[in-house]
Amino acid sequence: KQEVTQIPAALSVPEGENLVLNCSFTDSAIYNLQWFRQDPGKGLTSLLLIQSSQREQTSGRLNASLDKSSGRSTLYIAASQPGDSATYLCAVRYSSNTGKLIFGQGTTLQVKP
Amino acid sequence: ETGVTQTPRHLVMGMTNKKSLKCEQHLGHNAMYWYKQSAKKPLELMFVYNFKEQTENNSVPSRFSPECPNSSHLFLHLHTLQPEDSALYLCASSQRRSLAPQETQYFGPGTRLLVL
Repeated sequence: KQEVTQIPAALSVPEGENLVLNCSFTDSAIYNLQWFRQDPGKGLTSLLLIQSSQREQTSGRLNASLDKSSGRSTLYIAASQPGDSATYLCAVRYSSNTGKLIFGQGTTLQVKP
Repeated sequence: ETGVTQTPRHLVMGMTNKKSLKCEQHLGHNAMYWYKQSAKKPLELMFVYNFKEQTENNSVPSRFSPECPNSSHLFLHLHTLQPEDSALYLCASSQRRSLAPQETQYFGPGTRLLVL
């Protein structure tokens, strides 16, 4: 069964800290992996997408890495800010024929001023 | 804003009611999706439509009935729901069902549903 797990479920850090969110997946034959952000009362916003042939993607203070052999991805957030407070979701796509995404349960991040 | 809108944003209904959720995308996409997000559970894909045709039903109970009259609109008709159906229902769209590896889905803000 294809499952995605995210650890930790919740994280609280002081402003300015660098932090790492973890995502693991049971089937390593992925097509791509995405990290989304979800704010309360809002939908999902795509942050970074890593194709199966790539090892990492960067956008501003965010860096996502992918290690297919170990079934893991990490989202690194540098110099965290209160505005980074949100739930971060990892989603894996396995098929080229369908856009079906398998999501983890998310990590809820709180960055304290 | 993502270009995907959902109405209503909040809905409270009794178990005997009939209601509908609406999703509209302004992105010119051809594929649309319904997801369910329950507390403490991952997002679950419910239905997929590609060029108005349903291509996936993820074993969803028949009390949920989707409708896609055109590529821009997607409905979820609700009938005799149970309290455990209370959740956030998210709509998404993409250029097509079989996305290129660098393409993504765009999500609406969701409808928060409470079934009493």
